[in-house]
Amino acid sequence: KQEVTQIPAALSVPEGENLVLNCSFTDSAIYNLQWFRQDPGKGLTSLLLIQSSQREQTSGRLNASLDKSSGRSTLYIAASQPGDSATYLCAALEYGNKLVFGAGTILRVKS
Amino acid sequence: DAGVTQSPTHLIKTRGQQVTLRCSPKSGHDTVSWYQQALGQGPQFIFQYYEEEERQRGNFPDRFSGHQFPNYSSELNVNALLLGDSALYLCASSFLGGFSYFGAGTRLSVL
Repeated sequence: KQEVTQIPAALSVPEGENLVLNCSFTDSAIYNLQWFRQDPGKGLTSLLLIQSSQREQTSGRLNASLDKSSGRSTLYIAASQPGDSATYLCAALEYGNKLVFGAGTILRVKS
Repeated sequence: DAGVTQSPTHLIKTRGQQVTLRCSPKSGHDTVSWYQQALGQGPQFIFQYYEEEERQRGNFPDRFSGHQFPNYSSELNVNALLLGDSALYLCASSFLGGFSYFGAGTRLSVL
């Protein structure tokens, strides 16, 4: 059974810092790894998707990497801004298009 | 493109009642998945519909049932509501294992 863990559970940083969010998964038989953002009480916004054959994906100030052999993915946020404050969720896509989520990292960027 | 739309936004029910939640997928998407997100946790997979059939099911009791219509829209039904069913219910649509696009969710409170 796939289990996804995210570390840290919460993170508070000053504006401008670069930061790394970590995600680990127990079963490497995944199709892709997705990162989402969730604002309080809202739905999920897709940020990045890394196919199982890829090593990383970049979108603006965001960069996500994937190492299937070690069961790890990281989300790197450069030059953080207060608007980046949200919960970040990673999810592994299993056979049948089922997403298995971690519990998320709550990020607060202080101005 | 309206994206994934869910209705209603909020619902308040009492224990033992039944509830129906609705989802319209993003244009061009044929697969609809439902997730339950309890407070402070990541979303948990309930089930997935493709071509009007339930294709996969998570670890949820038979009180949770669903349906997909020919236009790909979907309903989630929950019978005999329990206090523990209080959560944010998220609908996601996708096509061929690509990005999963999520709706804003339905907040269900069971009193």
